Amino acid sequence: QVQLVESGGGLVKPGGSLRLSCAASGFTFSDYYMSWIRQAPGKGLEWVSYISSSGSTIYYADSVKGRFTISRDNAKNSLYLQMNSLRAEDTAVYYCARDVGRFDPWGQGTLVTVSS
Amino acid sequence: NFMLTQPHSVSESPGKTVTISCTRSSGSIASNYVQWYQQRPGSSPTTVIYEDNQRPSGVPDRFSGSIDSSSNSASLTISGLKTEDEADYYCQSYDSSTPWVFGGGTKLTVL
Repeated sequence: QVQLVESGGGLVKPGGSLRLSCAASGFTFSDYYMSWIRQAPGKGLEWVSYISSSGSTIYYADSVKGRFTISRDNAKNSLYLQMNSLRAEDTAVYYCARDVGRFDPWGQGTLVTVSS
Repeated sequence: NFMLTQPHSVSESPGKTVTISCTRSSGSIASNYVQWYQQRPGSSPTTVIYEDNQRPSGVPDRFSGSIDSSSNSASLTISGLKTEDEADYYCQSYDSSTPWVFGGGTKLTVL
């Protein structure tokens, strides 16, 4: 079945870096756009970044532009999010999701905590 | 950029019908599709409505979506409420300059 599994979350100090990964299975990964979406504790959903199927088109939310970098490796069926200059307000569960005009499916999420 | 505004919470009794609204701040609600996601506690979101009023397979027909251009809003209606419908619901849309905007979410309590 279609599955997305995130990894790479953890505790990091303000100003630090972290790289999230999302492993895809059950579908032809290279055919699909992908996005990262985050959810701060007890808060709503916030779209973070998008990448086209080939990786040629990328968008970022203003809140992460210049600090986060999305990428993908279609040979490895994997999506990545490199997060630099992390701030306390980046603390959230980060989900990867397949973008088919809607986000479907979503992974189980990986928690990123930015704290000293 | 535009925003999507939802009520923070709604509550209704089992068996009743509830409607959750999602109002677009600028631009026409009809210009871009609206999706609705359900997020049960401790789980990832799942789609209950896409393209304004389409239900994914497996979503019961108790869930329906609509848009109203006069109020520039979208609505999610759940009829025959069940306790399992208790969850947070998020609307989502987009436009050419604002990719992928989510509403703030509505907590549905079925009591």
